[in-house]
Amino acid sequence: EAGVTQFPSHSVIEKGQTVTLRCDPISGHDNLYWYRRVMGKEIKFLLHFVKESKQDESGMPNNRFLAERTGGTYSTLKVQPAELEDSGVYFCASSPPLAPGTRNEQYFGPGTRLTVT
Amino acid sequence: AQSVTQPDIHITVSEGASLELRCNYSYGATPYLFWYVQSPGQGLQLLLKYFSGDTLVQGIKGFEAEFKRSQSSFNLRKPSVHWSDAAEYFCAGVSKTSYDKVIFGPGTSLSVIP
Repeated sequence: EAGVTQFPSHSVIEKGQTVTLRCDPISGHDNLYWYRRVMGKEIKFLLHFVKESKQDESGMPNNRFLAERTGGTYSTLKVQPAELEDSGVYFCASSPPLAPGTRNEQYFGPGTRLTVT
Repeated sequence: AQSVTQPDIHITVSEGASLELRCNYSYGATPYLFWYVQSPGQGLQLLLKYFSGDTLVQGIKGFEAEFKRSQSSFNLRKPSVHWSDAAEYFCAGVSKTSYDKVIFGPGTSLSVIP
């Protein structure tokens, strides 16, 4: 079974440019999460999709960040315009529907390292 | 509020020495608990997880962790550290019963002296 995949693995852009990160969750996982770790800080939650709906976006830092999950499959996270403080590693995770006998375990992707210069 | 704390920001050990990384959690009910490792330039790798049952959990790379409800702790241990273990280690928790976000501790950076 394929794990969570993220693309690109590394992106270097200039301040003011736009970058789009992509996450492909494990097939059948309705829940998709975005997290990020900016330099020297903790890994922080950004938002949570259930299928195509945003369940919780309390962690989104500002309106320069836009996350979508059209069709409830893969998700994109767009940063526009990028600022220096957006540099860090962006992780995606997915989990299956919470049903009797299942566990709320989130499976993490390898992350996208974003560098804004 | 839910939280995961790691009291040690940075630890240095000699290769071959034993290691213990501390983790405490604060949740309304015992969460699922995890330890992740992030090596330089790499993503998050799951070392081990605790859901229920046996309080001593074995993981990959020779790591183990012990869940202690009375102390709200989930400390990570390794009997003999290798130079390749130098990395950042994150303790994390997630609610058992809701689609809640994973809450990560601040991380402990491990340096290994040859």
